[in-house]
Amino acid sequence: AQSVTQLGSHVSVSEGALVLLRCNYSSSVPPYLFWYVQYPNQGLQLLLKYTSAATLVKGINGFEAEFKKSETSFHLTKPSAHMSDAAEYFCAVSEAGTASKLTFGTGTRLQVTL
Amino acid sequence: GAGVSQSPRYKVAKRGQDVALRCDPISGHVSLFWYQQALGQGPEFLTYFQNEAQLDKSGLPSDRFFAERPEGSVSTLKIQRTQQEDSAVYLCASSARDNLGSDTQYFGPGTRLTVL
Repeated sequence: AQSVTQLGSHVSVSEGALVLLRCNYSSSVPPYLFWYVQYPNQGLQLLLKYTSAATLVKGINGFEAEFKKSETSFHLTKPSAHMSDAAEYFCAVSEAGTASKLTFGTGTRLQVTL
Repeated sequence: GAGVSQSPRYKVAKRGQDVALRCDPISGHVSLFWYQQALGQGPEFLTYFQNEAQLDKSGLPSDRFFAERPEGSVSTLKIQRTQQEDSAVYLCASSARDNLGSDTQYFGPGTRLTVL
């Protein structure tokens, strides 16, 4: 069984400040890990994914995440927040290898203020 | 089209009505997934197809939910005798193996179902 915990349902940062969204996972098999972003009334857009290659993964829009097996974490970061980053962010886990269903966290809403 | 499309985007149904939600995956994508996203929650898995074969339907909440993909492309999620608790956004995703050997799911915009 797999699960994802996202700490903090709402995160507020100032424009230009560091963004840190937390994700911890549980998996009995080697995992693949994903971050998706969802804008209002839209589907999910992939930001980045970890598939057992490099532990530091770079994604779109300046986001990156680091896979830490010892901490079972996959936190998402961005050095400098932009107003356009305001959205809902979901961390997800799947089994490594073949096409597999995603298990999502409950999401973190990021607010960016001036 | 370039992405996954879903129709209708919005559906309002009276309790007890049957509804059908359509998903057009990215051309050539073998795998297709359906998820249900309740308000304020993350998406939850419903069912998975590989081509026309439904390989996993463990997430379907009741026998009122039925999905098909008869020709291995377009898929339809049908909900019979809708209930208020079925109100949610229904997301479809398709995936294919990339050059690194992993699958990435690409999501459609979803269908927002409201049951009155």
